[in-house]
Amino acid sequence: DAGVIQSPRHEVTEMGQEVTLRCKPISGHDYLFWYRQTMMRGLELLIYFNNNVPIDDSGMPEDRFSAKMPNASFSTLKIQPSEPRDSAVYFCASGEDGNYGYTFGSGTRLTVV
Amino acid sequence: AQSVAQPEDQVNVAEGNPLTVKCTYSVSGNPYLFWYVQYPNRGLQFLLKYITGDNLVKGSYGFEAEFNKSQTSFHLKKPSALVSDSALYFCAVRERNAGNMLTFGGGTRLMVKP
Repeated sequence: DAGVIQSPRHEVTEMGQEVTLRCKPISGHDYLFWYRQTMMRGLELLIYFNNNVPIDDSGMPEDRFSAKMPNASFSTLKIQPSEPRDSAVYFCASGEDGNYGYTFGSGTRLTVV
Repeated sequence: AQSVAQPEDQVNVAEGNPLTVKCTYSVSGNPYLFWYVQYPNRGLQFLLKYITGDNLVKGSYGFEAEFNKSQTSFHLKKPSALVSDSALYFCAVRERNAGNMLTFGGGTRLMVKP
C-alpha cells in the first residue's frame, strides 16, 4: 500500500491566488481528515469526512477555506484567496471504522508570499 | 469535550539514558490513547496505542507507554534513548463511542544528545 498520498509536496504562491491541495487516502479507509500544522498553533484539525460526507468542519478558519471529497479515493482542500497567514504544513490523514488510529500523509508545505 | 496536555515543549536526554515524555488527558468516558512521532519534513507516524487490557503498552522502536487511569496519564517511555529518537512526539486521545476523531496534544520535542 502506498499510504496516504498528498500533492504537491511544496507550494509557493502569491497572496490572493487560489491554492488547491490534494489527498488520496488509503483504499478502504472511510474517514479522511485535514490538519494544519504551524509553529504557533501546533496541529489543528480543519475538517473531517466519513464516507465522503463532511462531518465536522468547525476547524475551518474562514470562508476562504473549502474542502471536498467527491469520491472515496480523492479529497481537495482549497484556499481562495490565499493569504500569508495561511502558510503552514497541511496534512491529510485517513482511518477506518473499527480501527483506532490514523495514517498520515507526508504533508504539503504551503508558503504564501 | 476531550483534551490532551503535553506539559513539556522539549525534553533533553543523553544517549543511553532512559527517557519519558509526559501526557495527560481529559475525556468524559473511557479513552483510547495514542502516541505518534514526527521526523523532520515528514507526516506523523503511529507509535503505539492503548485500547483496553494491560496498562503497559509496547510499540515501535522500543517505546512503551503506561496508561494510568487515576492520574489520567499516558506517559511515553524508553529504557535507553538513541540519537535517532530525536523527533517531535504527539499524544492523542479519543473518547470511546464518540466518533473517530482524535484530539492531539501540542507536541513535545525530544532531543537526544550523543
